Amino acid sequence: GQQVQQSPASLVLQEGENAELQCNFSTSLNSMQWFYQRPGGSLVSLFYNPSGTKHSGRLTSTTVIKERRSSLHISSSQTTDSGTYLCALELSGSFNKLTFGAGTRLAVCP
Amino acid sequence: DPKIIQKPKYLVAVTGSEKILICEQYLGHNAMYWYRQSAKKPLEFMFSYSYQKLMDNQTASSRFQPQSSKKNHLDLQITALKPDDSATYFCASSQGHNERLFFGHGTKLSVL
Repeated sequence: GQQVQQSPASLVLQEGENAELQCNFSTSLNSMQWFYQRPGGSLVSLFYNPSGTKHSGRLTSTTVIKERRSSLHISSSQTTDSGTYLCALELSGSFNKLTFGAGTRLAVCP
Repeated sequence: DPKIIQKPKYLVAVTGSEKILICEQYLGHNAMYWYRQSAKKPLEFMFSYSYQKLMDNQTASSRFQPQSSKKNHLDLQITALKPDDSATYFCASSQGHNERLFFGHGTKLSVL
């Protein structure tokens, strides 16, 4: 079965609204990373977050290993936040071999 | 100013031909990777290298051969190309194990 599941699959926001993106995983892991994939395709690293909560500007990532979930919170969304958000887990015993979720496609409307 | 350079950005090839995808990173990282993203599929891991040594290979086909001539280079040679090989190939790097990955902009390969 699928090891990494992201929800929702897509999301439409009005500018200024907040968003909570979820990533659930079914196996033990070394680490969790979040990426933003631009509409053109390139990937930007957002967080390396194996556990706990991390902040970066309007973004917050929280990983709870026991509950096998990680979340990405976007506050005060902007149109430039539009794109696809990917979570990826590194399985225990692997060397940075990331298993990616299918992504959450976010559209922020003005 | 991109720190991970992939060449070319777009590539069109005919079935049965051979192509080399180039990747160079200027982040001073010790580990490099190749990932593939096919249409409507999640990114999938292909290879990982650390200090120019192969660490993990998830590519069943020997048609895919990584080549590391220097620590900051990891090229990908693909032989006997098939239409199913059409995808965007991403190179990535990290300082080491258990570190965040940084990705290049990708090479979009179309096999006709």
